[in-house]
Amino acid sequence: EVHLVESGGDLVQPGGSLRLSCAASGFNLGTYWMSWVRQAPGKGLEWVANINQDESETYYLDSVKGRFTASRDNAKNFLYLQMNSLRAGDTAIYYCACRWVTSPATDLWGQGTLVTVSS
Amino acid sequence: DIQMTQSPSSLSASVGDRVIITCRASQGIRNDLGWYQQKPGKAPKRLIYATSTLQSGVPSRFSGSGSGTEFTLTISSLQPEDFATYHCLQYNTYPYTFGQGTKVEIK
Repeated sequence: EVHLVESGGDLVQPGGSLRLSCAASGFNLGTYWMSWVRQAPGKGLEWVANINQDESETYYLDSVKGRFTASRDNAKNFLYLQMNSLRAGDTAIYYCACRWVTSPATDLWGQGTLVTVSS
Repeated sequence: DIQMTQSPSSLSASVGDRVIITCRASQGIRNDLGWYQQKPGKAPKRLIYATSTLQSGVPSRFSGSGSGTEFTLTISSLQPEDFATYHCLQYNTYPYTFGQGTKVEIK
């Protein structure tokens, strides 16, 4: 069975850093573009970042450019999101996802990990 | 950025009702639009991509239409398991942008 499982969410002070991880099982994560999508408490969905299979292409939401970095380790079947200079507005559940936009295959999402930025 | 205006923000409907949700893009996005269903405490689930292509396994009571800037999601006969929040997504241009969501509640 295929799964994505996020981890690394925590309570962090404004200006702090956090690294989220997304572990893939049951399939080769290296085959796919991967994404991070977030959802602030009680709010809608917000796309955060895309990364292609070999990390040669990355795209970010304007408000996180220069602060967040998506990366991946295909050998370990992991996706990461390094989050620096965190702000209160970054407080959200962060989901990793693949096959969720244009692929005809079934979309795959993690369960989400909560990041809370507060003093 | 392309703004996606989704309406209504919420609606109350009964089992068996026909439900229509609309998304309007601030500029043309061809047919690069998807619809997602999300239940409380759960990750989203894709229903439709490329405006009208049903994700495998999604019931045929769900359908999508539109092009350019106006798009609709139709649920032909609402079922108990369809009470959820629905989101549209444009993926024509970065940054990808979602609509604000439509919460479908039981009447």
